[in-house]
Amino acid sequence: NAGVTQTPKFQVLKTGQSMTLQCAQDMNHEYMSWYRQDPGMGLRLIHYSVGAGITDQGEVPNGYNVSRSTTEDFPLRLLSAAPSQTSVYFCASRQGGGNTIYFGEGSWLTVV
Amino acid sequence: QKEVEQDPGPLSVPEGAIVSLNCTYSNSAFQYFMWYRQYSRKGPELLMYTYSSGNKEDGRFTAQVDKSSKYISLFIRDSQPSDSATYLCAMSLDNYGQNFVFGPGTRLSVLP
Repeated sequence: NAGVTQTPKFQVLKTGQSMTLQCAQDMNHEYMSWYRQDPGMGLRLIHYSVGAGITDQGEVPNGYNVSRSTTEDFPLRLLSAAPSQTSVYFCASRQGGGNTIYFGEGSWLTVV
Repeated sequence: QKEVEQDPGPLSVPEGAIVSLNCTYSNSAFQYFMWYRQYSRKGPELLMYTYSSGNKEDGRFTAQVDKSSKYISLFIRDSQPSDSATYLCAMSLDNYGQNFVFGPGTRLSVLP
């Protein structure tokens, strides 16, 4: 059972480039979300989805785009990378009505 | 004032010590309280979960919630070097939304 799988683990981007962080879960969870983690800030919600075809914005959505075409996959797109998007990104999933959030191992992104 | 505050540490203790980790919060509507453990270069994983006020014990770990003081604690007895990690508190209003708020985390080092 792989849980939540994120790729890539590490990425360096130039300002203005775009990229997609991939996320997949094999637990048939309804809810999926993307967080960013910055020193002293805690985990902040970027976007989330409560099911295939349904997405919504979190606390810090600007500069990011998501889609949820299947239950398993929830990619995060950076439209035009900025140095302020240098961070660690975590994809997460949970069952609806449950409090256990399952996190991926993280993607370290540096924008230069 | 941040919604959830947590001393970032780092906190260094000798092996076998009792560790106390704490969070304060401002929103009295929070009902669910969680502690996540995050090892270096890994995603957070759920350690303890409590609903409303009271204590919950799981092996060497005890979680306490004092809703009247808006204060939660995690105690680790007989701490081990393998407990060295960052501990994130988290809380939510309910089981159904994405209303999880995370503290910034306390970094703990248990020295052999």
